[in-house]
Amino acid sequence: DTEVTQTPKHLVMGMTNKKSLKCEQHMGHRAMYWYKQKAKKPPELMFVYSYEKLSINESVPSRFSPECPNSSLLNLHLHALQPEDSALYLCASSQDQVLLEAFFGQGTRLTVV
Amino acid sequence: AQSVTQLDSQVPVFEEAPVELRCNYSSSVSVYLFWYVQYPNQGLQLLLKYLSGSTLVKGINGFEAEFNKSQTSFHLRKPSVHISDTAEYFCAVSDLRGYKLSFGAGTTVTVRA
Repeated sequence: DTEVTQTPKHLVMGMTNKKSLKCEQHMGHRAMYWYKQKAKKPPELMFVYSYEKLSINESVPSRFSPECPNSSLLNLHLHALQPEDSALYLCASSQDQVLLEAFFGQGTRLTVV
Repeated sequence: AQSVTQLDSQVPVFEEAPVELRCNYSSSVSVYLFWYVQYPNQGLQLLLKYLSGSTLVKGINGFEAEFNKSQTSFHLRKPSVHISDTAEYFCAVSDLRGYKLSFGAGTTVTVRA
């Protein structure tokens, strides 16, 4: 199983809503990542979890809150987002934090209205 | 820090013709190099990677790339493209400590019959 599964695939939320994105992998990978991708742009790293601990936060606003409940799951909690936060949110995983190969999920297309 | 330049933003090509996508990188340390493909409304899929060893790397779907250290390049090639190769292609680099993929801006490949 070389899949990274993200849910939901699409999400529309208002600026006052609270929602969560979910990511799951069963490859035994110990590093997991959140990326944000705007249209026609490359992915931008947001957070890195290594062995279930947050190791990298790329200066992401606090309205995005990551959580890693266990080694297979990664959540991204969203609160008070702005329309400019609308993007494709990609989850990825790798065996460990030394990036020999990263596996990406299909992404969640988020629209903030 | 590393950076990646993809020299072509758009590459139109006819079906069964060859294609080359150019990628140059900048880094003061040794790096790992990757090519990813993103089909419309999908996540990223790894095409191939260079970690060490032979400079000619073969990947999935008939793609190959050549690492040239003196020219700091990692160009992607396919001898005969199909309509299904229409996608966005990203070159990426990470240093040997890992954790962060630095992506190029992407090359849009459009294959026409």
